[in-house]
Amino acid sequence: AQKITQTQPGMFVQEKEAVTLDCTYDTSDPSYGLFWYKQPSSGEMIFLIYQGSYDQQNATEGRYSLNFQKARKSANLVISASQLGDSAMYFCAMREGEYDTDKLIFGTGTRLQVFP
Amino acid sequence: GAGVSQTPSNKVTEKGKYVELRCDPISGHTALYWYRQSLGQGPEFLIYFQGTGAADDSGLPNDRFFAVRPEGSVSTLKIQRTERGDSAVYLCASSLSDRSGRAGETQYFGPGTRLLVL
Repeated sequence: AQKITQTQPGMFVQEKEAVTLDCTYDTSDPSYGLFWYKQPSSGEMIFLIYQGSYDQQNATEGRYSLNFQKARKSANLVISASQLGDSAMYFCAMREGEYDTDKLIFGTGTRLQVFP
Repeated sequence: GAGVSQTPSNKVTEKGKYVELRCDPISGHTALYWYRQSLGQGPEFLIYFQGTGAADDSGLPNDRFFAVRPEGSVSTLKIQRTERGDSAVYLCASSLSDRSGRAGETQYFGPGTRLLVL
């Protein structure tokens, strides 16, 4: 079974609108972390936001928020007030285990295109 | 401060040749990771160093792949007898981590090395 599933290969959103990128995960470990990264055409992976499995509140970082639904094992990324510069690939990733040095497991990504 | 740097940015080689890819992590970061990203896929874990030692090399696909980090800073990924299937972007990441059990230590990625094996 896939550990991280991103079911949307591509998404379109109009500038200034909000968009939700889906991510579901699969783990039996009670301690885990969920990450979202942005990869523009330049190729570099840019960290956006983190959610820990024990965090009570949804994580927020500026225009990014993570809609964490633990029972459903979903960790959707919400981008508010989309900008043209948000056009990129977005990857959801999971770290399993208690220690923060474990490897990341990535999904296949969602390509977001923001149009004027 | 400076981020993770990787050299070369692009590498073209012929099947059967040996290549070395270099990663210079963020200063002070003890953990260093190598990932491989094939076209249209997310990055896949290769190996992780804590200091000088390889703490987890379970992602290395076969014994043609080897990585070192002799002084606990710069790391080199070495690929012997390259094959066309090795063509991919090789990403390096580092994190500031002391295995204290704190959650949420972020891995910061470099720009990657695009390897093409002809």
